[in-house]
Amino acid sequence: DTGVSQNPRHKITKRGQNVTFRCDPISEHNRLYWYRQTLGQGPEFLTYFQNEAQLEKSRLLSDRFSAERPKGSFSTLEIQRTEQGDSAMYLCASSSTSVEQFFGPGTRLTVL
Amino acid sequence: GNSVTQMEGPVTLSEEAFLTINCTYTATGYPSLFWYVQYPGEGLQLLLKATKADDKGSNKGFEATYRKETTSFHLEKGSVQVSDSAVYFCALKDGDYKLSFGAGTTVTVRA
Repeated sequence: DTGVSQNPRHKITKRGQNVTFRCDPISEHNRLYWYRQTLGQGPEFLTYFQNEAQLEKSRLLSDRFSAERPKGSFSTLEIQRTEQGDSAMYLCASSSTSVEQFFGPGTRLTVL
Repeated sequence: GNSVTQMEGPVTLSEEAFLTINCTYTATGYPSLFWYVQYPGEGLQLLLKATKADDKGSNKGFEATYRKETTSFHLEKGSVQVSDSAVYFCALKDGDYKLSFGAGTTVTVRA
């Protein structure tokens, strides 16, 4: 399968714990995006990488959130001191052009 | 800022019925417009796109025309099938990378 992959697919954690998600983009895609989707809503943009450079962060991405893309390949999204409001589906997408983004299956986070 | 407003659901149809999902947008520039579909248990997939005014995107029997004068990008399909049951998202991209999505419309097609 050469699509975007995300791990884990599901994560249940207790409030206050740290969690980390991984995204593997389609190989040779130099652009990578993170979005968050809450129940009944469309995805909301969180952050964008071109190669290893993080070029924009949404105001939705508080100081507890950090994303990295070392070497311009896979990316990680870490949430520190999780809160119940962080419960959502976290989506990763990648692209090689500025037009079409290809999405992964998402990581569903539940914070108890 | 940029925003997308799409028809609220859920929408329930019988097989072979005509489907329309309305989508209007607000943007500061000249956005590209998209329809994404999310089948049960799967990730978002691009259904169709249009990058400039009067372009028509089409795929799998679905069509949408970029109407700049009405700032709309309505999705249509002439004869739906049970397999079209999914959540449909209208989205725009104004600039190089950021997609702005509507809230999604859940469509259920009954046999």
